[in-house]
Amino acid sequence: TQLLEQSPQFLSIQEGENLTVYCNSSSVFSSLQWYRQEPGEGPVLLVTVVTGGEVKKLKRLTFQFGDARKDSSLHITAAQPGDTGLYLCAGVLNTGNQFYFGTGTSLTVIP
Amino acid sequence: DTEVTQTPKHLVMGMTNKKSLKCEQHMGHRAMYWYKQKAKKPPELMFVYSYEKLSINESVPSRFSPECPNSSLLNLHLHALQPEDSALYLCASSQQGLGLGTEAFFGQGTRLTVV
Repeated sequence: TQLLEQSPQFLSIQEGENLTVYCNSSSVFSSLQWYRQEPGEGPVLLVTVVTGGEVKKLKRLTFQFGDARKDSSLHITAAQPGDTGLYLCAGVLNTGNQFYFGTGTSLTVIP
Repeated sequence: DTEVTQTPKHLVMGMTNKKSLKCEQHMGHRAMYWYKQKAKKPPELMFVYSYEKLSINESVPSRFSPECPNSSLLNLHLHALQPEDSALYLCASSQQGLGLGTEAFFGQGTRLTVV
């Protein structure tokens, strides 16, 4: 059982549509990161959220950390083909020293 | 500079070969990691080095042997690998041991194919 579950696992949408990816856990995290990874490349850090309820915006991407620090979401507005990739949430448990990855969401944006 | 450099980018090796993967960072990070990743799956942790000492080994087979010569370098020595070991191997680093607000930065990975 994965500590961080992402949904949906796969997502294929048309250019210009909006989407939300969820990252959920029953455990409390001291921080969560979101990464985007393109095929054959390493994950690229998009954002880190630390405070419960925190919202961060990065151009068309909006990241939210749940009030209880157990979940996070990534919302993309007006998706573009360049947004295509594997989106990974990852975090450090509040009580431990392990870095856990979510199950991943593979996004395809069709021109 | 948030760069983690991995070499080589691609590697094809036979099951009897010995090869090494290299990772380098100059961000002053004191924790470095090796991950293994299969296609469209999340990375799986293999090893963690903290202050140049091995702190976590996730029950990785002995055919994978990590080495941390200094705080900037991390190697992964490969010997007698199996075809199922073919994967993208990722190196990462973070400022210190894992804790509040820790951010890990990844290299571009080495695509390993075992034939």
